Amino acid sequence: AQKITQTQPGMFVQEKEAVTLDCTYDTSDQSYGLFWYKQPSSGEMIFLIYQGSYDEQNATEGRYSLNFQKARKSANLVISASQLGDSAMYFCAMREGPGYSTLTFGKGTMLLVSP
Amino acid sequence: DADVTQTPRNRITKTGKRIMLECSQTKGHDRMYWYRQDPGLGLRLIYYSFDVKDINKGEISDGYSVSRQAQAKFSLSLESAIPNQTALYFCATSDVPRDNEQFFGPGTRLTVL
Repeated sequence: AQKITQTQPGMFVQEKEAVTLDCTYDTSDQSYGLFWYKQPSSGEMIFLIYQGSYDEQNATEGRYSLNFQKARKSANLVISASQLGDSAMYFCAMREGPGYSTLTFGKGTMLLVSP
Repeated sequence: DADVTQTPRNRITKTGKRIMLECSQTKGHDRMYWYRQDPGLGLRLIYYSFDVKDINKGEISDGYSVSRQAQAKFSLSLESAIPNQTALYFCATSDVPRDNEQFFGPGTRLTVL
């Protein structure tokens, strides 16, 4: 079974609107971390946001927020007020266990922002 | 200057050739990783190292080997390249205990003909 599932191969949104990118995960560990990375067409991997499994509040970083629903094992990324520069591939990833730091990535969602 | 650098950035090679991809970092991190990215598959872990004396296989280590020459250097080798190793390769680093982010290099695009 996949540990990270991103069910949306592609998403379209208009500039200035909000968009939610879905991510579900599978783990039996109590301690884990969830990450979102952005990959623009230039190819680099840009860290966006992190949520720890014990964090009681949803993580936020500027226009990015992570909608963490532990019981549903979902960690959706919400981008508010989309900008043209948000057009990119977005990857959800998980780190399992307190001492581990290897990441398991989902297959990604391509987001296109239109004017 | 970039904190995590990869050389070469692009490489075209032929089947059967030995090739080495190099990664250097100035972040002072102990932990380093090699991933490969294929279209539609996301990133998959090849090898990782938690310190100079520690090397671990990842999800897809077959056909690859690594060397951790120093804290700052982690090299990935393809002993005999094959076409299905054509991919984008990323090196990454992370810090302990602030292990909440992996810092990625710019990637090496490898084509095996």
